[in-house]
Amino acid sequence: KAGVTQTPRYLIKTRGQQVTLSCSPISGHRSVSWYQQTPGQGLQFLFEYFSETQRNKGNFPGRFSGRQFSNSRSEMNVSTLELGDSALYLCASSSPTSTDTQYFGPGTRLTVL
Amino acid sequence: SQQGEEDPQALSIQEGENATMNCSYKTSINNLQWYRQNSGRGLVHLILIRSNEREKHSGRLRVTLDTSKKSSSLLITASRAADTASYFCATVSSNDYKLSFGAGTTVTVRA
Repeated sequence: KAGVTQTPRYLIKTRGQQVTLSCSPISGHRSVSWYQQTPGQGLQFLFEYFSETQRNKGNFPGRFSGRQFSNSRSEMNVSTLELGDSALYLCASSSPTSTDTQYFGPGTRLTVL
Repeated sequence: SQQGEEDPQALSIQEGENATMNCSYKTSINNLQWYRQNSGRGLVHLILIRSNEREKHSGRLRVTLDTSKKSSSLLITASRAADTASYFCATVSSNDYKLSFGAGTTVTVRA
């Protein structure tokens, strides 16, 4: 099976812009989670989607949003970008039979200038 | 905020030696997991230990869990250069089932 894929892999934006990141989970996986990784804050949970519904949410401002489509692909959007949003954004999916184990994609490296 | 804290932050060992890292957490958990990350790439799941388990093995990995002390350890035996990576513990809270990661231990294995 193909692994979790994320596009784009690298992105450079300027403050105030918005960005959309995409994640395609492993085939058959219906849960998709998003994480932000920065040197200062480490890995932080953003949100989780299951069957097109947000099932769990971390402590991030409303500028961070996401959605999931009927084919389980997910997107996350960050509006009004700030310098502090520069990070590696990781997407992970989990299987219906092993919901606790997360399979991570390679990440999208976002740089905000 | 991070649930777990790893100790040490960094570890440098010779190839063939064992590497041990520890993780402490704060709240009640459903399970605890260890992940590996190679230089800014995605994380790879290594092992999961449930709250009612005390020890688990997978190849050269040995994980222990002490729920009374809210701590876990990961032992990598007979380390190889390919084990050079950052290792993260992650806990699944029994309250909200969110996965929370620690800050990680950076392991360097010298040839």
